[in-house]
Amino acid sequence: GAVVSQHPSWVICKSGTSVKIECRSLDFQATTMFWYRQFPKQSLMLMATSNEGSKATYEQGVEKDKFLINHASLTLSTLTVTSAHPEDSSFYICSARDLAGVFTDTQYFGPGTRLTVL
Amino acid sequence: AQKITQTQPGMFVQEKEAVTLDCTYDTSDPSYGLFWYKQPSSGEMIFLIYQGSYDQQNATEGRYSLNFQKARKSANLVISASQLGDSAMYFCAMRGPRGTYKYIFGTGTRLKVLA
Repeated sequence: GAVVSQHPSWVICKSGTSVKIECRSLDFQATTMFWYRQFPKQSLMLMATSNEGSKATYEQGVEKDKFLINHASLTLSTLTVTSAHPEDSSFYICSARDLAGVFTDTQYFGPGTRLTVL
Repeated sequence: AQKITQTQPGMFVQEKEAVTLDCTYDTSDPSYGLFWYKQPSSGEMIFLIYQGSYDQQNATEGRYSLNFQKARKSANLVISASQLGDSAMYFCAMRGPRGTYKYIFGTGTRLKVLA
């Protein structure tokens, strides 16, 4: 149980285009999802907390107009990188809390999306 | 402020041996949760084990156990009978400020299991 999927697993795009990444909880409902960014050989950096039915909460220094987050249902959150530039190239990982799980604090992570902007 | 510290950037262990990965934390909140995740080269973050601050016993999950020493604010991960597939990056994390459910991550320890 507690499986989270992400799509796509990797994407290459041209500078200036927008890219949408989907995060789905497959076998549980998630009112809260999280979006992280990870640079090579570094730890995860939290970008934003995505709440179903309300606006996302962004961490300090993260541009909300650059990284649009939508959490339209209890099983789906999307991250759209708008007008992507090479410096946006990174590994993006989402996670979700399983409210009905044994450990309600536990976040279950998706497999990640590797974004390369040319 | 809350903080997680992993002081071992890299570790080597011989196959079938046990290994301990260190994690210390700092928080003024009496209620907190501690987590360990494994990140293989594929990038996925795999949940390994959880320890609650009020749990009386150390958490165990198969070959993983958490050596929780509350007074010392340490939550070390012990992997018994290491396998080649255990080679990965390991992250210690703590639940952030109460009500946010955010994680604070350590910098990670890269474990290499030798045949």
